[in-house]
This record gives sequence, C-alpha cells and structure tokens, in this order.
Amino acid sequence: DSGVTQTPKHLITATGQRVTLRCSPRSGDLSVYWYQQSLDQGLQFLIQYYNGEERAKGNILERFSAQQFPDLHSELNLSSLELGDSALYFCASSPRLASYEQYFGPGTRLTVT
Amino acid sequence: AQSVTQLDSHVSVSEGTPVLLRCNYSSSYSPSLFWYVQHPNKGLQLLLKYTSAATLVKGINGFEAEFKKSETSFHLTKPSAHMSDAAEYFCVVSDLPGAQKLVFGQGTRLTINP
Repeated sequence: DSGVTQTPKHLITATGQRVTLRCSPRSGDLSVYWYQQSLDQGLQFLIQYYNGEERAKGNILERFSAQQFPDLHSELNLSSLELGDSALYFCASSPRLASYEQYFGPGTRLTVT
Repeated sequence: AQSVTQLDSHVSVSEGTPVLLRCNYSSSYSPSLFWYVQHPNKGLQLLLKYTSAATLVKGINGFEAEFKKSETSFHLTKPSAHMSDAAEYFCVVSDLPGAQKLVFGQGTRLTINP
C-alpha cells in the first residue's frame, strides 16, 4: 500500500458527460501528479501540482482540468467525455517539487460508453 | 526529449530461471532511470532507481539493473524467477534532471511458467 488513495475505483459514464476523479496524496507529500494509462497511448503524464499550484503539464486535453486544494488532495475533472477517454487514471505523490520517487495510487478505471 | 524503448513487449520464462527485461534510453544529459512494476489490477510500484550514483542498482524482490552509458541501456534482471513476479514492467526516465515528469516505456509483460 503506497499511502495514496483514489476514488472512485471504477466509473462508468456516457459520452458527453463530466466526471471528477479524486486523489489523496501520502501524508506530508506536497506534489501530486496525474497519469493516464490507455491501451493505445500507454502511460502518459498529464499534469503536476505542487502545494496548490500547477507546476508541470504534459499531454492533457483542454477538456481536462485539475486542481489541488489547501488540504493537498487533488481532483481531475474530465468533461465532454469521448469513448477514447476510457482509461486507467493514476495519481501519484511525492514529498518535494522535483522528486525522483513517486508513489502511485491504485487508479480509477473510467469507462465511457 | 527523453525517451525509453522497451525491446520486448512480452517475455516468458520458467520459474527458477533468470529474467532479463531490456530497456534502452535516449537522453541529452545524464538521466535518472527507474523500473516500475504493475501487478494485475494494482497501481505502480517502484522496483529500483538510478540517479547517477552506483551503476549497478539493487531493488526490491531480488531485482537489479545496470546502467550502461556506452550502450544507453538499463536492463532489468533477476537470477531466479518466482511465480509472483508475473506482472507488467515499465522502464521510466525522468524528463529533466531531478524533474517532475516521468516518461514511461510501453511496458513488458512478464509471464512465469510453472
């Protein structure tokens, strides 16, 4: 158990809908990262927050957004969902802004029908 | 941009025999390299990391990897496979020195035959 929690575990929704994925980092970790794992794209970095501020951006679509709250938990918002957004979404955390080691949560499996 | 190439999408070995999972990297500077493992329906777990210290890195569960700059390789090995090693393995490079973004290889599925 990494200490990173993600909810929900599974999510099934329809195209065009909006969902929110939640992540609680390990106690004391200030950085939160979001990754998407899909069959065709593999594992891709989406975005990083550090102590409430966005610090790095990867291949994140404009329909997706994230934020980190004062208690350090983070939410990833996915809107206007398409079939291709079906994937496993991982959250990871680390103690510092730039840390070699990231601790991953169990993931949220999103299915868009 | 940094990248990693995992040379085998699937490796199958018998229990008790050695494991070799191959990874080549591309980087314009001295990289930080990692191996992560993902068991079915589980999150990712760090196996080991190379961050410019010793070139032979020992990780958890008997795995180790050797950083070879001349060959731009970071292959993962284990002397004797166990059934519990069956999983997906990812070779990973950090985007910039000490930076946040991890770049993942496509993964190698390891199957262990009894």
